Amino acid sequence: DGGITQSPKYLFRKEGQNVTLSCEQNLNHDAMYWYRQDPGQGLRLIYYSQIVNDFQKGDIAEGYSVSREKKESFPLTVTSAQKNPTAFYLCASTPISGGHQPQHFGDGTRLSIL
Amino acid sequence: DAKTTQPPSMDCAEGRAANLPCNHSTISGNEYVYWYRQIHSQGPQYIIHGLKNNETNEMASLIITEDRKSSTLILPHATLRDTAVYYCIVRSNDYKLSFGAGTTVTVRA
Repeated sequence: DGGITQSPKYLFRKEGQNVTLSCEQNLNHDAMYWYRQDPGQGLRLIYYSQIVNDFQKGDIAEGYSVSREKKESFPLTVTSAQKNPTAFYLCASTPISGGHQPQHFGDGTRLSIL
Repeated sequence: DAKTTQPPSMDCAEGRAANLPCNHSTISGNEYVYWYRQIHSQGPQYIIHGLKNNETNEMASLIITEDRKSSTLILPHATLRDTAVYYCIVRSNDYKLSFGAGTTVTVRA
């Protein structure tokens, strides 16, 4: 089945540590996105990528980094510079960056601080 | 992107239709209306979207008023598994979805 796979489902970070969240899609979608969701709140865009080897900052990019070396993969690194990383992280994709196709989401990674 | 207004919560009886309203009075001509839902600890699930015509798929129907200032998502026969937070979103740019607080729908047996 085609879809978006996020791993791990739960992740714990120690102070001063960088951690990387995985997002893989086999939908052949060009555009991919990372969102952060805090309890009881909506989604906030961290980074997005419209094509391989290109990505743009979203609304809350500070303390995060991404790469897009392959079409199917868009990993997110939460760096030690992100002082409040505890949240639910969601990856999404769409077929192309323009148009009105809906974004489809993975099942998320829940990151907590040890 | 236009802002949407949804009731914070609503209850629905199992087997009955659930009608979820959404106001988007500042919607512009090229903005689509999207509905998603999110069950606790899962990613948002796409339900349906439309521009100005009513739409129906296997999950739900979307009714958009003629002036496009409001819409209604209809779940024709609600089940307990439809209990979730439902989000109404309008957007024109592809790169960002702006989720508000949504409507918490509780389906009761």
